[in-house]
Amino acid sequence: AQSVTQLGSHVSVSEGALVLLRCNYSSSVPPYLFWYVQYPNQGLQLLLKYTTGATLVKGINGFEAEFKKSETSFHLTKPSAHMSDAAEYFCAVSLNTGGFKTIFGAGTRLFVKA
Amino acid sequence: EAGVAQSPRYKIIEKRQSVAFWCNPISGHATLYWYQQILGQGPKLLIQFQNNGVVDDSQLPKDRFSAERLKGVDSTLKIQPAKLEDSAVYLCASSGGVGQRNSPLHFGNGTRLTVT
Repeated sequence: AQSVTQLGSHVSVSEGALVLLRCNYSSSVPPYLFWYVQYPNQGLQLLLKYTTGATLVKGINGFEAEFKKSETSFHLTKPSAHMSDAAEYFCAVSLNTGGFKTIFGAGTRLFVKA
Repeated sequence: EAGVAQSPRYKIIEKRQSVAFWCNPISGHATLYWYQQILGQGPKLLIQFQNNGVVDDSQLPKDRFSAERLKGVDSTLKIQPAKLEDSAVYLCASSGGVGQRNSPLHFGNGTRLTVT
């Protein structure tokens, strides 16, 4: 069975500090992995995705994630947090059930302190 | 390009009443999804359409929930009768890749349902 686990339901950082949001997956086949961001009262927006090839993936707003097969991880990072990064972040995996569907983790809410 | 449109944005109903949500996906997107997002949780897939056919409805509570996408474009999700535990945000998403595993989802802003 394929699933996604996000470690930490809440993360708080100071403005300018490193952002690290953790995601681990379980998959019996090479995974396709995604990070989405959700701002208050909005739907989810794609930040970045990993399919094949380069394991370090760059996304929008300065975020990036690294696929580590040996650790079954796909952690999201940003070198310097900005107030506007405060949002909820979801890690997701795409799996084949006859048609491809996307399974989401429980989410991590990022707080940025001034 | 216009995004995924959903209506209404908010809905408050009493338990045992019925409610319907509407979604219009991005033009040309073959795959449409309905997700339920309960407060503090990640989105849970309720049903997935490819054109006007159902691909996956394994987590749809079929005794009270129904969904259709008759012409392969817009879609309606209905709950009848509603229960208190149905209070959630209902998200519609679409993707352009037919059977493509790496196609990202494009989400609407959701409908926030409160059942009292």
